[in-house]
Amino acid sequence: GEDVEQSLFLSVREGDSSVINCTYTDSSSTYLYWYKQEPGAGLQLLTYIFSNMDMKQDQRLTVLLNKKDKHLSLRIADTQTGDSAIYFCAEISGGYNKLIFGAGTRLAVHP
Amino acid sequence: NAGVTQTPKFRVLKTGQSMTLLCAQDMNHEYMYWYRQDPGMGLRLIHYSVGEGTTAKGEVPDGYNVSRLKKQNFLLGLESAAPSQTSVYFCASSRSGFNTEAFFGQGTRLTVV
Repeated sequence: GEDVEQSLFLSVREGDSSVINCTYTDSSSTYLYWYKQEPGAGLQLLTYIFSNMDMKQDQRLTVLLNKKDKHLSLRIADTQTGDSAIYFCAEISGGYNKLIFGAGTRLAVHP
Repeated sequence: NAGVTQTPKFRVLKTGQSMTLLCAQDMNHEYMYWYRQDPGMGLRLIHYSVGEGTTAKGEVPDGYNVSRLKKQNFLLGLESAAPSQTSVYFCASSRSGFNTEAFFGQGTRLTVV
């Protein structure tokens, strides 16, 4: 079945770059997403990438997609304390036409 | 500028009690969803709706029922709560299918003792 895997925790120093990684199993995925969840809040769409793209950049965010290895990453440049949150990778599952979420990576930013 | 609103935000239930979680969206979205979030796991889809008057089962539908009598509301019911249903529940809506941006409510933290 479909599966989305993420590491559970990442700690970075303020001002450094953060890289959050994700692997997925459904090779027919059309869209891959990054959602952000701040404490006590719901998920908010951060960015997404279509499966025919290798890279997408949006201000401090860079998404890289390696379809061969089914690997997705989110790079946050100049990480700030306000970036501390849980980041969820998600894919559209072609077989079930639903959104499959990873367990989330908790990003902690320290001075 | 409400978006997706869930009520209540917190609830404690005794095993065997029933309750209904309400989700309301003001964006005229067709699709609505109920997810549960458990520690160390991603969000799992409980039920969803592709339009007023329709419902469908997701990944983990057992023990839950839903209704979508009005387009803007999606209700999640627990008929006989069990401790395994202790979780954070999120409602979401999207304009059309799963490949359109989903907007989430703030969540309901439910504890079943």
